[in-house]
Amino acid sequence: QITLKESGPTLVKPTQTLTLTCIVSGFSLSSSGVGVGWIRQPPGKALEWLALIYWDDDKRYSPSLKSRLTITKDTSKNQVVLTMTNMDPVDTATYYCAHRPFGNFFFDYWGQGTLVTVSS
Amino acid sequence: QTVVTQEPSFSVSPGGTVTLTCGLSSGSVSTNYYPSWYQQTPGQAPRTLIYSTNIRSSGVPDRFAGSILGNKAALTITGAQADDESDYYCVLYVGSGISVFGGGTKLTVL
Repeated sequence: QITLKESGPTLVKPTQTLTLTCIVSGFSLSSSGVGVGWIRQPPGKALEWLALIYWDDDKRYSPSLKSRLTITKDTSKNQVVLTMTNMDPVDTATYYCAHRPFGNFFFDYWGQGTLVTVSS
Repeated sequence: QTVVTQEPSFSVSPGGTVTLTCGLSSGSVSTNYYPSWYQQTPGQAPRTLIYSTNIRSSGVPDRFAGSILGNKAALTITGAQADDESDYYCVLYVGSGISVFGGGTKLTVL
């Protein structure tokens, strides 16, 4: 059974760096073809694709946020980490991590999400 | 920058049929964009409905169907039920490992 769970601060100040962790279970981050992505959703707004990391450590970023995002993984800890620099109130959102299955271009399992508020 | 378009809102009567669409601000959607569809109710994580244009995710009833209609991807719900009232998002794969979400459609069943 595949599960993902996000964790991180609920409140960050403007200009700070956000670090979110996604703990996964039921699959290995080194399994060929597997990917884990991050998606966010501001309150009352649409989902937004942020970043994706593949089993081979290949990384992809949303072009509009690429300069602020870093995605990494630690296979031994079954975790994927997303950092976002220079946080702004408009970055207030629920952040989700999700599993991308082998050879596909969609997410089949999602975490419950974690709400991050950016405020001074 | 790629913009994926969806109807902001739609309504359907119980038992009725509705088709939601997913397009591009520039160009046509084809199977090469591997359209996928997600259902989301307030406070919940998205639920995967359809991937690779028309493949239903595990456990999704067959009254949800994906297709390409003209130059757009489409999600058709037949025999709409009250608990289909949700937000629906499409996602298109735009290449280089990157996908883009549409703005979502709020479906009302009344």
